Amino acid sequence: QAGLTQPPSVSKGLRQTATLTCTGNSNNVGNQGAAWLQQHHGHPPKLLSYRNNNRPSGISERFSASRSGNTASLTITGLQPDDEADYYCSAWDRGLSVWVFGGGTKLTVL
Amino acid sequence: QVQLVESGGGVVQPGRSLRLSCAGVGFTFSTYVMHWVRQGPGKGLEWVGFMSYDERNDCYADSVKGRFTISRDNSKNTMYLQMNSLRAEDTAIYYCARESDAFDTWGQGTMVTVSS
Repeated sequence: QAGLTQPPSVSKGLRQTATLTCTGNSNNVGNQGAAWLQQHHGHPPKLLSYRNNNRPSGISERFSASRSGNTASLTITGLQPDDEADYYCSAWDRGLSVWVFGGGTKLTVL
Repeated sequence: QVQLVESGGGVVQPGRSLRLSCAGVGFTFSTYVMHWVRQGPGKGLEWVGFMSYDERNDCYADSVKGRFTISRDNSKNTMYLQMNSLRAEDTAIYYCARESDAFDTWGQGTMVTVSS
C-alpha cells in the first residue's frame, strides 16, 4: 500500500517559518485532507491538526495546516527549539480503505 | 484524564504468536474506533489496522492481513491485537490510538521484538 510522500528533512533557523509538505492522491489527501502529527524522539506521536486546519485544544496557533489539490502543508511560524521533531501526515484512503502515513519529515531548528 | 495503556510486548521467536492489549481510561471507550499503529526501529509510522466501535468491522494493512487480528471487549474498555506467524520485520513499537476525526490520543507503546 503506497504511502504519502514527505521530504525526509527540513532545516530552518530559530524564529523562522517552516513549511512541510505531504503529497498523496485524490483518494486520500485530495479527498478529506490530511492530519499532522508531531513526534519527539522516544515519545508517542501527538496530533497537531486534522482535516486540514482543525487544531485540537492545547495546540499552538503557530501550527497551521492547509491543502491544495493532492498536497497538504503544515506551516510552523516562529520556530522554537522544541519544534525540532519528526512530523508525519496521515489520511484515510477511500480507494484502498486503509489509513496511510507519510514517511515523515525530520525538522531541524538551527 | 484520557489515557491509553498498551501491554503485552516482549521478545518472541519467528513463527510464534503474541497478544497485545490496549486499555482505555477516562473516556467512553465503546464509542470510538480504535487503531493499532507500529513503528519499526528508526522507521516511520505504519498503520496496522482498526476495529470499529461496535466490533462489527475491522480492517488491516496488507503487511499483516491474515496474520494479525484485532478484537475488543467494550465491557473491559480494552482492545487486543493477536499477532500470529510473527516475522523479524514485525519488530516494532506497537501503539494503540483513538480515532476522533484523526488519531487524537496515543498510548506510550509496547515493544515487540521478533528474534531467534
